[in-house]
Amino acid sequence: ETGVTQTPRHLVMGMTNKKSLKCEQHLGHNAMYWYKQSAKKPLELMFVYSLEERVENNSVPSRFSPECPNSSHLFLHLHTLQPEDSALYLCASSRAEGTDTQYFGPGTRLTVL
Amino acid sequence: EDQVTQSPEALRLQEGESSSLNCSYTVSGLRGLFWYRQDPGKGPEFLFTLYSAGEEKEKERLKATLTKKESFLHITAPKPEDSATYLCAVQDATTQGGSEKLVFGKGTKLTVNP
Repeated sequence: ETGVTQTPRHLVMGMTNKKSLKCEQHLGHNAMYWYKQSAKKPLELMFVYSLEERVENNSVPSRFSPECPNSSHLFLHLHTLQPEDSALYLCASSRAEGTDTQYFGPGTRLTVL
Repeated sequence: EDQVTQSPEALRLQEGESSSLNCSYTVSGLRGLFWYRQDPGKGPEFLFTLYSAGEEKEKERLKATLTKKESFLHITAPKPEDSATYLCAVQDATTQGGSEKLVFGKGTKLTVNP
């Protein structure tokens, strides 16, 4: 499935670094999402964008900063992260019409040292 | 608060040994229930959406069913390639603002031995 792509696939960063995760969807969808997946925990919704406007922010710390320049691209800017932020970060997209299926990218495995 | 509980946490089957995975949910009003498959180190892959009690959907060896309180994913004569973590998620019909929020369970890790 190449409808949703994410780069990089793996990222190791120190607590003082600044990095960005990128997501691109090729499905013509209007909504995009960031999720965090940690071991032994359910997927946690972080941010939702619909038609490039942020519609939900699930009380995510300010060290995570999303950006959605257009309906095909989504970024997650990271700065001064903590080791507990190490996780698989997943991007998803959907048509944003009623009950609509979300399609996921392969994820970025983030390790914070 | 919407809740999703999946059981068992892990399941080991022999090839050809049929079984079922359970997803129990609590939601104000169900807009949809979703099943995904996730392989290690990869993103979830969409399998099914169920909308109302009594609905069933099938795909190869998988069949998903829905009641008012739970959903089952039946696996008939599984093969080793069916080994994965199966995730269940619900979407609440009372969600405001048009966002398509999904609430996920922790998943069931299925291992099928040859």
